[in-house]
Amino acid sequence: KNQVEQSPQSLIILEGKNCTLQCNYTVSPFSNLRWYKQDTGRGPVSLTIMTFSENTKSNGRYTATLDADTKQSSLHITASQLSDSASYICVVSANQAGTALIFGKGTTLSVSS
Amino acid sequence: DGGITQSPKYLFRKEGQNVTLSCEQNLNHDAMYWYRQDPGQGLRLIYYSQIVNDFQKGDIAEGYSVSREKKESFPLTVTSAQKNPTAFYLCASSSRTEQYFGPGTRLTVT
Repeated sequence: KNQVEQSPQSLIILEGKNCTLQCNYTVSPFSNLRWYKQDTGRGPVSLTIMTFSENTKSNGRYTATLDADTKQSSLHITASQLSDSASYICVVSANQAGTALIFGKGTTLSVSS
Repeated sequence: DGGITQSPKYLFRKEGQNVTLSCEQNLNHDAMYWYRQDPGQGLRLIYYSQIVNDFQKGDIAEGYSVSREKKESFPLTVTSAQKNPTAFYLCASSSRTEQYFGPGTRLTVT
């Protein structure tokens, strides 16, 4: 069964600290892996998209890694800000058309001052 | 939220009533999607459309219907047959490489 598991479920960190969110997947076939940021009550916004051949991709203070052999991905947030408080969703696409996206349940990050 | 609009942001309905959620995009995307989001769960696909006048059922299509008469519009009707309609509904459209989500509609049925 295609699944995407994220950990931790929730996380609280102090402003300015770094953190890493984890994503493990069992999806076949694999097309790409995406990380989204979703603010409360809003739609998800794309942070990164990685294909099989990409090991790392950055978007500002966000850096995603992908190990296709172990089927693991991580999202590292550097120098966290209060505005980073959100849910971070890992999504694996099983086809190029994007009609077979498997969503993780998300990690809720709270950044406090 | 890109060029995708959903209206209204909040919607309240009585049980037994059908309700239609609006989704419009100006990104010139062929493909559009409807998802449902419940607390503690990942997004689940309700319906998708890859071209005008064509749409396909997703994983949880029962109790829902859609139409795609125009490229820009993909309305979702939540019918009285949907057993648990209260949820956050997200519309999306996609280019070849990426999906863009609308701001969502929170539907509450009492």
